[in-house]
Amino acid sequence: AQSVTQPDIHITVSEGASLELRCNYSYGATPYLFWYVQSPGQGLQLLLKYFSGDTLVQGIKGFEAEFKRSQSSFNLRKPSVHWSDAAEYFCAVGSFGNEKLTFGTGTRLTIIP
Amino acid sequence: DTAVSQTPKYLVTQMGNDKSIKCEQNLGHDTMYWYKQDSKKFLKIMFSYNNKELIINETVPNRFSPKSPDKAHLNLHINSLELGDSAVYFCASSQGGTSYEQYFGPGTRLTVT
Repeated sequence: AQSVTQPDIHITVSEGASLELRCNYSYGATPYLFWYVQSPGQGLQLLLKYFSGDTLVQGIKGFEAEFKRSQSSFNLRKPSVHWSDAAEYFCAVGSFGNEKLTFGTGTRLTIIP
Repeated sequence: DTAVSQTPKYLVTQMGNDKSIKCEQNLGHDTMYWYKQDSKKFLKIMFSYNNKELIINETVPNRFSPKSPDKAHLNLHINSLELGDSAVYFCASSQGGTSYEQYFGPGTRLTVT
């Protein structure tokens, strides 16, 4: 069965500092991977996705993520965070031919001035 | 021009009542989903419909019944509400096929008292 682990429940970063959110997945087949962001009281918004090809993918709002098959990881990064990036971030994994996405438990990001 | 919309946004009701949540998408997608997000932000799929046909039915109590009158709508009806049903329910849609990113609605916060 596919699974996703986000080891960090809560991360606090200073505004302007760099950010890396960790995501590890477990799946036997070729995975496709997503990062979603959920602002307070809002739905989930897709930040970026990986299906195949270039392992470094660019997303919206200046985010990027790198797929590392050897480490079963898909970490999210941003070089300089803004106060508006404070939110809950979810990593999700699925597979080709399977409509079902499995979500991680989320990482809450707090930005301090 | 909201992509995925849900009504109502908030729903407060008493145990034992029956309630419905409506979802509509104007993206022309073939597949729609219902997710439940619990108080710890854990997001779990409940149902998925493809072109009005049920394709994913997770271990959800029979009190929950999805209905898809057409491929743009997926409603969720809940009978005999229980305290444990309190959660945020998200509707989502995707094109399906090789394009698996899912687009989420704003959520419906259900509180059962």
